[in-house]
Amino acid sequence: GENVEQHPSTLSVQEGDSAVIKCTYSDSASNYFPWYKQELGKRPQLIIDIRSNVGEKKDQRIAVTLNKTAKHFSLHITETQPEDSAVYFCAASAHNNDMRFGAGTRLTVKP
Amino acid sequence: GAGVSQSPSNKVTEKGKDVELRCDPISGHTALYWYRQSLGQGLEFLIYFQGNSAPDKSGLPSDRFSAERTGGSVSTLTIQRTQQEDSAVYLCASSLANRGTGELFFGEGSRLTVL
Repeated sequence: GENVEQHPSTLSVQEGDSAVIKCTYSDSASNYFPWYKQELGKRPQLIIDIRSNVGEKKDQRIAVTLNKTAKHFSLHITETQPEDSAVYFCAASAHNNDMRFGAGTRLTVKP
Repeated sequence: GAGVSQSPSNKVTEKGKDVELRCDPISGHTALYWYRQSLGQGLEFLIYFQGNSAPDKSGLPSDRFSAERTGGSVSTLTIQRTQQEDSAVYLCASSLANRGTGELFFGEGSRLTVL
């Protein structure tokens, strides 16, 4: 089955700096890669996703890149703000298979 | 309702007792998932329901865990003879998409503490 590894487990940046979180996956059949944000005490919510037919996707200050050959994908947050502080989870899945989540990255943006 | 609803939000129980956790998915969502989130950990898949198909129970950690989904809507996760290691947040999610292809909408979770 799919195995997703995520790093770093914690990340602290200064407000305005960029943050990058990286994930690797094991199943070459995986073709859907979402990222979820979970604020303290709240539910995880989808912030961006990418499918295997594209290499990069952007939405304002967040972007995700995918390298299918190397089986890794990354989340990039630019111009970080304190409200970006949360736990971020990557995930990978193939059609009709489990969605496997990474262990999460706790991002702290210091004002 | 507007989102996935879970109850209770918090449950404290004594070791050995049974507990039931409820999930009310978004209306019309045919897919329903249960995940477990231990303190500081990722999301561990437990069970998946899709319409009237047989559920995928491959993630249930032991035979003390079971789940059902009545009428293709509300789901109940039951943990029998609870153990301290069962303490975690149990998250339910529903989706319109086929498995593995689209957004999951999570509930706020049920925090279980086994004393």
